[in-house]
Amino acid sequence: ETGVTQTPRHLVMGMTNKKSLKCEQHLGHNAMYWYKQSAKKPLELMFVYSLEERVENNSVPSRFSPECPNSSHLFLHLHTLQPEDSALYLCASSQESGDGYTFGSGTRLTVV
Amino acid sequence: GIQVEQSPPDLILQEGANSTLRCNFSDSVNNLQWFHQNPWGQLINLFYIPSGTKQNGRLSATTVATERYSLLYISSSQTTDSGVYFCAVDTNDYKLSFGAGTTVTVRA
Repeated sequence: ETGVTQTPRHLVMGMTNKKSLKCEQHLGHNAMYWYKQSAKKPLELMFVYSLEERVENNSVPSRFSPECPNSSHLFLHLHTLQPEDSALYLCASSQESGDGYTFGSGTRLTVV
Repeated sequence: GIQVEQSPPDLILQEGANSTLRCNFSDSVNNLQWFHQNPWGQLINLFYIPSGTKQNGRLSATTVATERYSLLYISSSQTTDSGVYFCAVDTNDYKLSFGAGTTVTVRA
């Protein structure tokens, strides 16, 4: 474990389902991130939270909804996803300076 | 936005060989990091190296910020070094832009 824990590790969901991804860090970091990694593409930054405030939303469709209730927890709520949303979703945390960037193990999401 | 290019895209090594991976970036950066993603998807931070040279065991990295490139050296490669190596940069904040990665396969 790296200090950033993601659950679940694998998720299969239908296009009409609602599910949530969870991320937890106990590193004392004050910035948390969601990244998407699709096959044959570079990692794409989706959302950034700094001091529990969302500071970045990289034109992500509204069917992805993040939530950061405190500096240790980050959620990604999913609803009415499309098959092309199937990917590895990675959570990360860091100091606000970018030092100590640490990734979780990811959630492998398959939309059927 | 900033462009990050990594080369080569794929690298096959015999165990014990040395290799160099390269990362070029298109603009001045605040920070550059190297990551290794193992076959199970876990991304591990190898180096936080905005400039200069750092070493960690058989791995070392050098960033020449004025010339906008960084190199990652793997010496005496082992099968556990297999995976994808990513270079990532940020310009004036902590949001990283990743290269496409170099896939390294080390054969026994």
